[in-house]
Amino acid sequence: GNSVTQMEGPVTLSEEAFLTINCTYTATGYPSLFWYVQYPGEGLQLLLKATKADDKGSNKGFEATYRKETTSFHLEKGSVQVSDSAVYFCALSDSGGGADGLTFGKGTHLIIQP
Amino acid sequence: GAVVSQHPSWVICKSGTSVKIECRSLDFQATTMFWYRQFPKQSLMLMATSNEGSKATYEQGVEKDKFLINHASLTLSTLTVTSAHPEDSSFYICSGAGPGHEQYFGPGTRLTVT
Repeated sequence: GNSVTQMEGPVTLSEEAFLTINCTYTATGYPSLFWYVQYPGEGLQLLLKATKADDKGSNKGFEATYRKETTSFHLEKGSVQVSDSAVYFCALSDSGGGADGLTFGKGTHLIIQP
Repeated sequence: GAVVSQHPSWVICKSGTSVKIECRSLDFQATTMFWYRQFPKQSLMLMATSNEGSKATYEQGVEKDKFLINHASLTLSTLTVTSAHPEDSSFYICSGAGPGHEQYFGPGTRLTVT
């Protein structure tokens, strides 16, 4: 079956530091890949996605590239802000994300210190 | 973006009783809704997929007689935990598939069974 593995947290960084959160996956076929973010007290929000190999998803300064050869979808940001503090989930779907349920990683709690 | 609400946000019930959780899409019609369960420091696990007007499809290992799902309209799905026991205590999250097939998540409901 499908599975997603992401780095355990919490990850604590200083403001303006470079961020990488690793995510690798196991799936049959060609899944779509997602990063979701959850701020305290709120529901998960889609941060970015990629639907095929070598696609790069980007949003709010975050980027992730769909690497089929390494089955990875690492999340990066060049300069983090305190407001980026949240829990980040890597996920995959056999479809575009609407027709099928998502398989999630455990989540990575990111803490940005001023 | 599209908004999904859940009610209640937190519920405590006694062992052996049933509890109903509502999931509403506030500003879009969701032909498909998903129910997930999240244990502390664990990933979200898909429980079931429901399509408006038809029976829900449950994931392997999820007891359909225990977790009753109803999706009577395009904006409302309910999850009823029947004869709840302490091991059912968890965080339950719903999502709705909106236009463009993106999933929009509710803020979750914390169930505590005493």
